[in-house]
Amino acid sequence: GENVEQHPSTLSVQEGDSAVIKCTYSDSASNYFPWYKQELGKRPQLIIDIRSNVGEKKDQRIAVTLNKTAKHFSLHITETQPEDSAVYFCAASSSSNAGGTSYGKLTFGQGTILTVHP
Amino acid sequence: DTGVSQDPRHKITKRGQNVTFRCDPISEHNRLYWYRQTLGQGPEFLTYFQNEAQLEKSRLLSDRFSAERPKGSFSTLEIQRTEQGDSAMYLCASSLYLGMKAFFGQGTRLTVV
Repeated sequence: GENVEQHPSTLSVQEGDSAVIKCTYSDSASNYFPWYKQELGKRPQLIIDIRSNVGEKKDQRIAVTLNKTAKHFSLHITETQPEDSAVYFCAASSSSNAGGTSYGKLTFGQGTILTVHP
Repeated sequence: DTGVSQDPRHKITKRGQNVTFRCDPISEHNRLYWYRQTLGQGPEFLTYFQNEAQLEKSRLLSDRFSAERPKGSFSTLEIQRTEQGDSAMYLCASSLYLGMKAFFGQGTRLTVV
């Protein structure tokens, strides 16, 4: 099955700096990579996602890059703000059930605790 | 709030008791997923439904766990003979059949004492 590794486990930055979180995946059938933000006691919220036919996607201060060959993808947050402080999870999923691989379920990384200091 | 809703938000139960959680997905979403999250970890897949059909169960899911989605709308997750190791946040998510964006509910926090 799929295995997703996420680094770093904690990340501390000053307000206005950039933050980068990296993930690697193992299953070459994975073709969908969402990122979730989870604040303490709250639900995971989808903040950005990317499909394997795209190398990069940007939404305001957030961007995600994907390297299919190396099987890694990264989240980039620019001009960080204190309200960006949360736990961020990457995930991987496949939309194909070829070969019996189930599709649609998400395999998550271990999470990154991001702290943005004012 | 027209998002995914879960009930109850918190549940404290004694070891050995049975518990049942409910999830109401976003109305047009065909797929419904259950995940479990323990402190400091990412959500871990338990099972998922496409409409009323349960398509996959995690091998980590013991026989004490059962899930249903009888009419392809809401779903229930039952844990029988609860153990302290079952203490966790149980999250439900839903997505469209052909889409991949999964939206999570607020979860049910289970504490087994």
